[in-house]
Amino acid sequence: SQELEQSPQSLIVQEGKNLTINCTSSKTLYGLYWYKQKYGEGLIFLMMLQKGGEEKSHEKITAKLDEKKQQSSLHITASQPSHAGIYLCGADLDDYKLSFGAGTTVTVRA
Amino acid sequence: DAGVIQSPRHEVTEMGQEVTLRCKPISGHNSLFWYRQTMMRGLELLIYFNNNVPIDDSGMPEDRFSAKMPNASFSTLKIQPSEPRDSAVYFCASSFPSGSETQYFGPGTRLLVL
Repeated sequence: SQELEQSPQSLIVQEGKNLTINCTSSKTLYGLYWYKQKYGEGLIFLMMLQKGGEEKSHEKITAKLDEKKQQSSLHITASQPSHAGIYLCGADLDDYKLSFGAGTTVTVRA
Repeated sequence: DAGVIQSPRHEVTEMGQEVTLRCKPISGHNSLFWYRQTMMRGLELLIYFNNNVPIDDSGMPEDRFSAKMPNASFSTLKIQPSEPRDSAVYFCASSFPSGSETQYFGPGTRLLVL
C-alpha cells in the first residue's frame, strides 16, 4: 500500500520542455525527500524539504512543499536526456521510517 | 568519500539455497536501513538499525529473513531458505541524524531465485 500518491505514473516529454511531478499525502509531511533512480541503479538523493512553503532548486530541478505540508511538486525546466529516470518521493511519516511513493517514470525524447 | 557499498551487485541462486547480502554504510553514519524493491510493492523497509541495534524489524517478511549488524561498518541480510518470491532488488541505506536524516542508498543487490 502506498501512503504517498505520486502523479503521473509516467510521462514522456520532448527535450527542452518542462515537466512537473506531484506527491500527495493524507498526513502531514515532517520531511519530504525526492530521489531519482535509473534502471538497475540505486536511489540518488536530490533534495529534502521540511518547512511549509519551502522551495529548493538544484540546477534545473525545483521542488516545493506546500504550506499545509501535505503535497510536494518536482519541476524540471528545459528537460534533457539526463533527466530520464524514475523519480520517487519519500516522506517522513514516522520518526525514522521513510514511506515511498510508487515512482514516476520520466522519458525524455530527443 | 565512498558511498554506501553493497555486495554482491547481482545474485542468482536456486530455491532453497542460503543468500547473504552485505552492506557497508557511509563512515560516521549511525543508522542503517534495508529495503526491498519490487514492481508489485515498490520500495519497502525491511529493518532499521540504530547504533548497530535493530530498532524495527516489522517489515521483515518472515522468519526466513534475518539481519545483523556486528559493527558500525558492516551489516548483512540473510535469506534461508530462499524462495522465488524473494526475487527483488535489495537496497541498503544509511543516515546520520543531523536534523535532516537524509538516507543515502547503495547501488542495490539484484537477487534472482530460480
